[in-house]
This record gives sequence, structure tokens and C-alpha cells, in this order.
Amino acid sequence: ETGVTQTPRHLVMGMTNKKSLKCEQHLGHNAMYWYKQSAKKPLELMFVYNFKEQTENNSVPSRFSPECPNSSHLFLHLHTLQPEDSALYLCASSRIRADTQYFGPGTRLTVL
Amino acid sequence: KNQVEQSPQSLIILEGKNCTLQCNYTVSPFSNLRWYKQDTGRGPVSLTIMTFSENTKSNGRYTATLDADTKQSSLHITASQLSDSASYICVVSHPIQQYGNKLVFGAGTILRVKS
Repeated sequence: ETGVTQTPRHLVMGMTNKKSLKCEQHLGHNAMYWYKQSAKKPLELMFVYNFKEQTENNSVPSRFSPECPNSSHLFLHLHTLQPEDSALYLCASSRIRADTQYFGPGTRLTVL
Repeated sequence: KNQVEQSPQSLIILEGKNCTLQCNYTVSPFSNLRWYKQDTGRGPVSLTIMTFSENTKSNGRYTATLDADTKQSSLHITASQLSDSASYICVVSHPIQQYGNKLVFGAGTILRVKS
């Protein structure tokens, strides 16, 4: 295990639901990331938090709302998603922004 | 445009055989290049990292090479095992003043090792 955990591992939700993804890292890292991974496509960086402050938002739709209450926890709040948002959502952390990233196992999200 | 292209898209080999995966990139400037292994249902795990001045880096049966002049890297797997079945992702780090480093990901090569 990499020291980064994600819950839930699988999530099925309707377009009108509200759900949240959780990520926790036990590595003492200061940077945390959300990625979207769709089949046969490169990982897409969504958000970056550095020392609890959001430093990057790569034009992600507002139906995805991140939250970083402390340097060990990262959430991704979901509401009114679309079927094309179905993907594997990966959380990662690193000691500092430029360092090697350690990934969690991901949450497989299906939007009906 | 900064891009990372990987080939082949997928590969099937017999257990015990060797294989080589390719990564071509147009990222410039360049900080380092990493190879990640992603098992089904898991997140990517770093295998190797190489800077501009390094030509080769090994991690057990995995050997990565880098030619910074031609902007090519390869990952060679020796004596493959069933557990090598995974997606292998090439990631190039691109320094950006505002963010430190920005990672450019390839789409990955899916390797399947058969018995």
C-alpha cells in the first residue's frame, strides 16, 4: 500500500444525487491532488492543494467541488453530475509540489 | 504543445519473455521522466525516475532508458511474470515557474502476460 487511502472504492449515483469522495494520506505530505482517469486517456489533473491552499484548478466544472480541511485529508464533493463524468478518480499526495506523487487506489464512479 | 505518446497501446506476451515499451515526448523544457505501473483496480506506483543527465535506471527486472536528445524513453521488462500484467504510464515533468513542476501523462501501455 502507498499510504494513501480513498473511500468509497466504488460509487454509483444518479445525476441528481450529491455524494463525496474522501482521500486520506498518512505520509506527512503537504501537497494533494485529484485526478480523473478515463479509459485509454491520460490522467487529467483536476485540482492541486499545497499546504491546504488550492493552487490549481484545471478548468474543472463547478459540479466538482474540492475541500481540503487539513494537509492529510482531501474531499471531492459531487453534485448534478453527467454520465460522461463516469471514470476512475484518483487522489495523490507528495512531500512538496514538485516531488514524486503517491497515488491512492481510486474511486470507480458510475453516473447513471 | 507538450505531449507524451506511448506505444504500443497494448501488448500480450508469454511469461518469461522480455518486452520493451516506448515513450516519445515533446515536453520542453524537461525536468525528469518517470515510469509508473498501474495494476487493475489500483493507483499508479512509481517504478523509475530519471533526470536529464541519466541514460538508464534499473529497478529489479525493470530497466528504463532515456535519450534526451531524441526525446525518447523506453521501459524494458526482463523475464516477464504474470504479476507484470498492468498498465505502464510514462510521465514527463515540465517546470513551470508558477507551479514548480507540471506533470504530462501518457495514455499508458496495457501489458498482459500469459502463461
